Amino acid sequence: GAVVSQHPSWVICKSGTSVKIECRSLDFQATTMFWYRQFPKQSLMLMATSNEGSKATYEQGVEKDKFLINHASLTLSTLTVTSAHPEDSSFYICSALRTEQYFGPGTRLTVT
Amino acid sequence: AQKVTQAQTEISVVEKEDVTLDCVYETRDTTYYLFWYKQPPSGELVFLIRRNSFDEQNEISGRYSWNFQKSTSSFNFTITASQVVDSAVYFCALSGTDSWGKLQFGAGTQVVVTP
Repeated sequence: GAVVSQHPSWVICKSGTSVKIECRSLDFQATTMFWYRQFPKQSLMLMATSNEGSKATYEQGVEKDKFLINHASLTLSTLTVTSAHPEDSSFYICSALRTEQYFGPGTRLTVT
Repeated sequence: AQKVTQAQTEISVVEKEDVTLDCVYETRDTTYYLFWYKQPPSGELVFLIRRNSFDEQNEISGRYSWNFQKSTSSFNFTITASQVVDSAVYFCALSGTDSWGKLQFGAGTQVVVTP
């Protein structure tokens, strides 16, 4: 089946710094990718829809200036958490849309 | 607005017992898709099934079976003869056709299977 990768798989950063997470579709082109966030013991919440070549669409309540999404190519979307704070610590999961939706393995972000 | 309710927070069973996970959904869409995903401790989501709202046939895949009842807006999932490897969090999710790919997840049900 289709494979979606994320990098890094985990990251620890200091409060106030920015962190970039990559989501790649390895064997297909994806014009649309999605970013989800999952807090411990909670469900996945859609953050934004990433469209290749255009601006991302953010869900209500998600700060677009804090969570910068760039979908510069058909195989890569990036999520940058700017000026990260401890409350941004979470599990971030991307997915790429083909005929089906394929999820990446997730990135665990810890902000100290 | 779409909503998915998984009322069971955690279910504990002994190996070889059957376990049924409930999922109730709300949507105004006439066409929609329902999903089940498994999330083991590693965190990676494992796709289990997708069901179109027009297809109410129940489905069986190995030890897994799904009961879709549109009349009660439910899409329940049963694991037969559970195994320790079934221990995971299971999510039910919903996607409308106008928002294809944008999944509304339920809260998840933690299944614990003990030997």
